[in-house]
Amino acid sequence: GDSVTQMEGPVTLSEEAFLTINCTYTATGYPSLFWYVQYPGEGLQLLLKATKADDKGSNKGFEATYRKETTSFHLEKGSVQVSDSAVYFCALSEGIGGNNDMRFGAGTRLTVKP
Amino acid sequence: DGGITQSPKYLFRKEGQNVTLSCEQNLNHDAMYWYRQDPGQGLRLIYYSQIVNDFQKGDIAEGYSVSREKKESFPLTVTSAQKNPTAFYLCASSIPWTGKDEKLFFGSGTQLSVL
Repeated sequence: GDSVTQMEGPVTLSEEAFLTINCTYTATGYPSLFWYVQYPGEGLQLLLKATKADDKGSNKGFEATYRKETTSFHLEKGSVQVSDSAVYFCALSEGIGGNNDMRFGAGTRLTVKP
Repeated sequence: DGGITQSPKYLFRKEGQNVTLSCEQNLNHDAMYWYRQDPGQGLRLIYYSQIVNDFQKGDIAEGYSVSREKKESFPLTVTSAQKNPTAFYLCASSIPWTGKDEKLFFGSGTQLSVL
């Protein structure tokens, strides 16, 4: 079945450092790919998405490019801030019958220190 | 403001007890979902509902039950048959029940613990 694999955390960075969180996926078809962010004690929020190969999703300085050839959707940010501290989830959906097939990675906890 | 409201934020269950987690949305979304989140694991789908009076089992439905009598509401009952209920439970919704690129909107979650 479809699945998502994320780099294990936790990740600890200093403010203004470059961030990469790796995500690779396995899918039978042509899924949409997502990054969600979860701040402490809250639910998940959509950070960005890409719906087809070579698309780049971007939001709040974060970017991820849908790479079909490497089945990857790595999250990057050029300069992280303390406020970026959160858990980041990579996810995919093939939309077979709707969003009930959304598959999430295990999450990567990011801590940014001042 | 539109959104999804989950209550309570913290819930404790005694042995042999059923407990119900509330989820209400005012986004006019057709589809609603319940996920379970355990430390170090991704979200796992418990139940989902595409429309009022209809719901389907997800990947880990055993020990749980749901109802969808109103579009706005999708309560989850954790029954005594669920032997390991301690987890963070997230309710979500989406519009409409269509494609693969529809994002999920999440509530702020309920932390359930066993006494």
